[in-house]
Formats: sequence, structure tokens, C-alpha cells
Amino acid sequence: GESVGLHLPTLSVQEGDNSIINCAYSNSASDYFIWYKQESGKGPQFIIDIRSNMDKRQGQRVTVLLNKTVKHLSLQIAATQPGDSAVYFCAENIEANNLFFGTGTRLTVIP
Amino acid sequence: NAGVTQTPKFQVLKTGQSMTLQCAQDMNHEYMSWYRQDPGMGLRLIHYSVGAGITDQGEVPNGYNVSRSTTEDFPLRLLSAAPSQTSVYFCASSYSVTGLDNTGELFFGEGSRLTVL
Repeated sequence: GESVGLHLPTLSVQEGDNSIINCAYSNSASDYFIWYKQESGKGPQFIIDIRSNMDKRQGQRVTVLLNKTVKHLSLQIAATQPGDSAVYFCAENIEANNLFFGTGTRLTVIP
Repeated sequence: NAGVTQTPKFQVLKTGQSMTLQCAQDMNHEYMSWYRQDPGMGLRLIHYSVGAGITDQGEVPNGYNVSRSTTEDFPLRLLSAAPSQTSVYFCASSYSVTGLDNTGELFFGEGSRLTVL
């Protein structure tokens, strides 16, 4: 089946800098995307979502960009903080009631 | 609210043993699901349910059974454990994962780490 992939498995940024985490998807029928954050030893937590009829959505310190032409999704984190260190997953809703997750990107914030 | 509660948090089994991972949610969510998480492979959907009495297979259902007799509970059964089932298992619930009527946010439990020897 179709799968969600990530360009970079690891990302290190200086505290205070902006972070950009990328995600490529291959199913053009996907119409809903979600970003999750997973801290060590915990379950994933919802960050932000976006539907395919949008190309940008903003939350608190986070922005998700969707480029349907190249099937690319990105998560931007402004003024990255140590508490942002985690693994970030993108997920797509291809089929009704199923979310498919990517393999994740580990973000490390350097103080 | 307790959210999604999974038990046990840790379990060691021998090959061939059976066990049940428990999952309960108190948010009155219709949708519940089980994922397994392996290093480098992200989360893979095992089984899901869109309401009491309804279950369906996900991406990797072999070796697992589920049932949904109540809205609150969604246990995952391993019939005859194999070393390949060594993983971290997450239960999750949601109003919906399509995001059509509401956010498709999944609420995850803390995970159950299973080792099969």
C-alpha cells in the first residue's frame, strides 16, 4: 500500500532557531494530514492538522504547509525550545478510518 | 479525565503464550485502534473499530484478535505469541480520523511494551 515517508530521519537545531520537518507522501488521494509529536516513553500527541483543500495552517508556534503538486508536507516550529525535542510523525488519511504514519524524524534541540 | 488507559505497561512472554492487552477510554469516542511501533518503522495499524460491535483489520492484523463489546473497551489479543510480535503497542481513540466532522486527532495511550522470548 501507499506509505508516508520522511526526507530526514534526524534534525538538530539550536535553541531559538526555527525548525522545519519534512514529509513526502505518495498517494494523491490523501485528503487529510496530521502531525504528531512523540516524547520518549510516551504516546504520540496531536500537534496540528490540515485538509487537502488548504495549503497552510498555523497554530501556536507551529505552521503546517501542504504542497499537493509535489506531494509534500512540512511542519515549521518557530523559536525551537528544548521541550520540542522529540520524534515527529506525519500521518495521512488515505482510506476512511485509517491513518497511515511515516517513520518519524527525531528533532534534537541544542541549548 | 483519564483519557486512554492501557495495561499492562510491560510484559514478557514466551513463544506460544497468549495474552490480552487492555485498552479503555473515557471520552465516549466511537473510533478506537491499535498500533504497533517498531524501530525505524513508525506506527502500523493492527486493528480498528468504528463503534461497539464493529471491528476491522488494519495494515498488520495477522496474529492478533480484537473485539468491541462496549464503547469504552477495545482489548487486543495475541493468540500465540511470536518473537516477531516484540514491539511497543499503542491504543488510540478518536471522534473520527477523517477530520470531516471534527478534528481527526487520535488520543494515544502511554503504550505497552511487549517482549516475546
